[in-house]
Amino acid sequence: ETGVTQTPRHLVMGMTNKKSLKCEQHLGHNAMYWYKQSAKKPLELMFVYNFKEQTENNSVPSRFSPECPNSSHLFLHLHTLQPEDSALYLCASSRPGAGGPYNEQFFGPGTRLTVL
Amino acid sequence: AQKVTQAQTEISVVEKEDVTLDCVYETRDTTYYLFWYKQPPSGELVFLIRRNSFDEQNEISGRYSWNFQKSTSSFNFTITASQVVDSAVYFCALSEVGDDKIIFGKGTRLHILP
Repeated sequence: ETGVTQTPRHLVMGMTNKKSLKCEQHLGHNAMYWYKQSAKKPLELMFVYNFKEQTENNSVPSRFSPECPNSSHLFLHLHTLQPEDSALYLCASSRPGAGGPYNEQFFGPGTRLTVL
Repeated sequence: AQKVTQAQTEISVVEKEDVTLDCVYETRDTTYYLFWYKQPPSGELVFLIRRNSFDEQNEISGRYSWNFQKSTSSFNFTITASQVVDSAVYFCALSEVGDDKIIFGKGTRLHILP
């Protein structure tokens, strides 16, 4: 138990559906991250939030829309996805020092997304 | 530009053998942080170690040890007397001061055979 939870753990959706992934951290951290992990591809950083402000958007298509209402919660809203978006979506949190992630990131168990 | 290379895509060893996972990094910063993570079949990445660039002492934690060599930009990870539960994908990662991101290598899939 790392203190970062993600729901749902598995999600199957059609290309016209709208769904949301949820991440919650119970570690008192101030930074939260979304990553995408596809088969045979490196871990891809999608978004970074620091103190609820988005500080990184790694050229992610607009069909992925993040939301960070507070430092403990992070959402990823999904709409009009493509089959190639099927992947494991991982959330992480950290307690960054001034100027960068001096501290390690703690990951949730991920949501396995399948887009039909 | 920062980069992390894990040249070993997949390794298989028999239980109780020692195994070393290689990690080579590139960065222009003099201050940076290196990490190792383990990803078992369940999917969750588990933090193993963080090392800052000013601390070149090798570290040992039980059967795990890490060899940081600044001269060769390497941060290798050795598992001694491997066990089946060590089977996982292992990621090496790098972060630079002033950056919100951690850059991950592509990972090494380790199979420990009984």
